[in-house]
Amino acid sequence: EIVLTQSPGTLSLSPGERATLSCRASQTVIGSSLAWYQQRPGQAPRLLIYDASTRATGIPDRFSGSGSGTDFTLTISRLEPEDFAVYYCQQHGDSPPTTFGQGTKLEIK
Amino acid sequence: EVQLVDSGGDLVQPGRSLRLSCAASGFTFGNYAVNWFRQAPGNGLEWVGVIRSKAHGGTTDYAASVKDRFTISRDDSKSIAFLQMNSLKTEDTAVYYCARGRTWVDYWGQGTLVTVSS
Repeated sequence: EIVLTQSPGTLSLSPGERATLSCRASQTVIGSSLAWYQQRPGQAPRLLIYDASTRATGIPDRFSGSGSGTDFTLTISRLEPEDFAVYYCQQHGDSPPTTFGQGTKLEIK
Repeated sequence: EVQLVDSGGDLVQPGRSLRLSCAASGFTFGNYAVNWFRQAPGNGLEWVGVIRSKAHGGTTDYAASVKDRFTISRDDSKSIAFLQMNSLKTEDTAVYYCARGRTWVDYWGQGTLVTVSS
């Protein structure tokens, strides 16, 4: 099973700033099969990025994903008030189990 | 509009059973796999299991923590999936979500709360 470790655990930034979230895998994620989700309090997760860098339908272009192998990054270029939430990475290869990182909480500074 | 609606969550005693439902609309349900995830209070996301579309064999896989206790099924004629949970344990307490997709998932239900407590 691939273990995903996200850092930092909490990120404190102001609206308008740039956010960089990291996700490191315990072994190579084949095919860059990595997704990012946003979860606001009391809501279901929302898909942002899949296959490491492909934005999901309707996701603003201030969200971008990059990386391959074991190191992946989610970047939010200019934070909007609605972006403050918890973010999870998920490795989504063909063979189960799919696993998630423990999450990064993005909070307003 | 694509929609998934989770239902069936309840307060149950340890050792009892519960069945959750995931009703889908707005897309051809039979063409998609359905995953179940859960989130214990204050915790992160955990995968529970998946049922693939008939085009991919209709097969199921489960997390080790629920294997042999939980069963996922689907009725494509009614656009609904089920999560049958038997021999429930206190550690199964969580919000359960169904979600569409075989690997990454693009639409989620709103979640249904299962509380296992005596």
